[in-house]
Amino acid sequence: QKEVEQNSGPLSVPEGAIASLNCTYSDRGSQSFFWYRQYSGKSPELIMSIYSNGDKEDGRFTAQLNKASQYVSLLIRDSQPSDSATYLCAVNSFSGGYNKLIFGAGTRLAVHP
Amino acid sequence: KAGVTQTPRYLIKTRGQQVTLSCSPISGHRSVSWYQQTPGQGLQFLFEYFSETQRNKGNFPGRFSGRQFSNSRSEMNVSTLELGDSALYLCASTPRGGSFTDTQYFGPGTRLTVL
Repeated sequence: QKEVEQNSGPLSVPEGAIASLNCTYSDRGSQSFFWYRQYSGKSPELIMSIYSNGDKEDGRFTAQLNKASQYVSLLIRDSQPSDSATYLCAVNSFSGGYNKLIFGAGTRLAVHP
Repeated sequence: KAGVTQTPRYLIKTRGQQVTLSCSPISGHRSVSWYQQTPGQGLQFLFEYFSETQRNKGNFPGRFSGRQFSNSRSEMNVSTLELGDSALYLCASTPRGGSFTDTQYFGPGTRLTVL
């Protein structure tokens, strides 16, 4: 079982719709969760971080965390063609007493006009 | 504040050669992590350095090594290159690392092609 799992997609949504991206993780000890966006040929850029159960909103983005279900999601409201990218879910893991990030394989989002 | 920088941006090598990649973290950041990204395996953790010490290591062969200097700049080295080492190598920095709240900021990456 992979440590962080995401549906590879592509997830295709029309412009203006809500895009819902999901991620599950296996380490129950994980405490921090991150969503990164990566455009083709570019490096990942941070969208949001979330540490507590519930929702966290930032502009058009909402991250949702459910530690009991080991599930984290990202909602993108009013999706725009410029949101078309691969979205990476990252989860922290302590190894040897130190923190590291484990990334999912990413979900490719395509927003069509 | 300047972001994470990586040099070179592109590199072409042949099998058996070795390569050294460089990363300069955001000013004031002391932790540097390295990742390999390939289409098949995604983003995989290589190692993390803090205060010139390797603190964490991923599951990569010993051909992959790194170091960090006193100014927090880091290098990674891959010896005896194999075709499968072709990838985007990403460096990320955090202020201090070690805390679950630390956010990693990525550099632009070095695209390595092994022929």
